[in-house]
Amino acid sequence: DAGVIQSPRHEVTEMGQEVTLRCKPISGHNSLFWYRQTMMRGLELLIYFNNNVPIDDSGMPEDRFSAKMPNASFSTLKIQPSEPRDSAVYFCASSWGANEKLFFGSGTQLSVL
Amino acid sequence: RKEVEQDPGPFNVPEGATVAFNCTYSNSASQSFFWYRQDCRKEPKLLMSVYSSGNEDGRFTAQLNRASQYISLLIRDSKLSDSATYLCVVSFNTGGFKTIFGAGTRLFVKA
Repeated sequence: DAGVIQSPRHEVTEMGQEVTLRCKPISGHNSLFWYRQTMMRGLELLIYFNNNVPIDDSGMPEDRFSAKMPNASFSTLKIQPSEPRDSAVYFCASSWGANEKLFFGSGTQLSVL
Repeated sequence: RKEVEQDPGPFNVPEGATVAFNCTYSNSASQSFFWYRQDCRKEPKLLMSVYSSGNEDGRFTAQLNRASQYISLLIRDSKLSDSATYLCVVSFNTGGFKTIFGAGTRLFVKA
């Protein structure tokens, strides 16, 4: 069984550019989470979806961030325009059912220069 | 106040030692509790769920105190391979299950 798949693994971009991170959750999972991890702030929940519907996006830092889940097998996190302070590791995770454990992807290391 | 708080450590212990980590959470409606482990430059992975009656998995014991909103993890007979960051995780229902991670506690086990 394939796990959660994220792409790209690494992204280096210049300030002002648009960045799109992609995630394919585990088949059959109905919840999807986007987290951002930095040394200073740890793992922050940005947004999560349940059955493809955004439930809570209160963690999205600014309007520059947006996330979509057009179907059960795909989600994107977009940053436009990107800024150096967006540099972090972005993790996608999925789970099945209430109170179930999360399975994480390998993350995308984003560097905004 | 953060929703989930942990002592960041680091904890430096010799092999064979027993070490305990604590965690507090602020949302009294929290329903599920977990400990995750994260190795350097890797994704977090579930270590164990935490049940109200307490539970054990080999050298690892987790405890939950709902009245005090407190979770603990005890590691006995520490191994070098236990060196990692341990993340306390709390989940509560807001229409889906919002899952919040603590900042993590660093553990270094030395020979």
